[in-house]
Amino acid sequence: AQSVTQPDIHITVSEGASLELRCNYSYGATPYLFWYVQSPGQGLQLLLKYFSGDTLVQGIKGFEAEFKRSQSSFNLRKPSVHWSDAAEYFCAVGASQAGTALIFGKGTTLSVSS
Amino acid sequence: GAGVSQSPSNKVTEKGKDVELRCDPISGHTALYWYRQSLGQGLEFLIYFQGNSAPDKSGLPSDRFSAERTGGSVSTLTIQRTQQEDSAVYLCASSLKSLGYTFGSGTRLTVV
Repeated sequence: AQSVTQPDIHITVSEGASLELRCNYSYGATPYLFWYVQSPGQGLQLLLKYFSGDTLVQGIKGFEAEFKRSQSSFNLRKPSVHWSDAAEYFCAVGASQAGTALIFGKGTTLSVSS
Repeated sequence: GAGVSQSPSNKVTEKGKDVELRCDPISGHTALYWYRQSLGQGLEFLIYFQGNSAPDKSGLPSDRFSAERTGGSVSTLTIQRTQQEDSAVYLCASSLKSLGYTFGSGTRLTVV
């Protein structure tokens, strides 16, 4: 079955500390992988995506993610978290075909403490 | 338009009533998607339109749910005889090929 697992429902990180949000996927085809962020009351914003090539991808707001095919993972990282990063983060996977529907994880809520 | 526009932003309806939710995608985006977001449940895929192809309706939870996309642009999601479990945020997204979705801000539906 195709699925995305985000093992951590809620994470709290101190401001300035590093962050890693975990994402594991199960997908039968070559995956396209995405991370989205949703601030309270807002829609989802694309942080970064992986289609092919370099397995370390850079995104907006200082985020990066690494694709590890052997581990079926696509973890999101940031070296130094800012209070404004507090939000809900969603990992998603889709097929390497035009316009197929993405499968989303259930999200990880990030809280930032001062 | 510059982004994906959804209306209304909030909708409160009585149980048993029908509701229509509207999505206006980014101009030129060939694919349009509807998702439902319930508290703690992530995003649940509902339906997907790609160009002139038949829509993928595999995610619709019951026959009370339907959607159409007129002229390859605006889409309407209709929920008939609403139930309290239909309360959620309904998100629309559009995309051009596989470049990632652009989401609208959603419609928060509350069934009382």
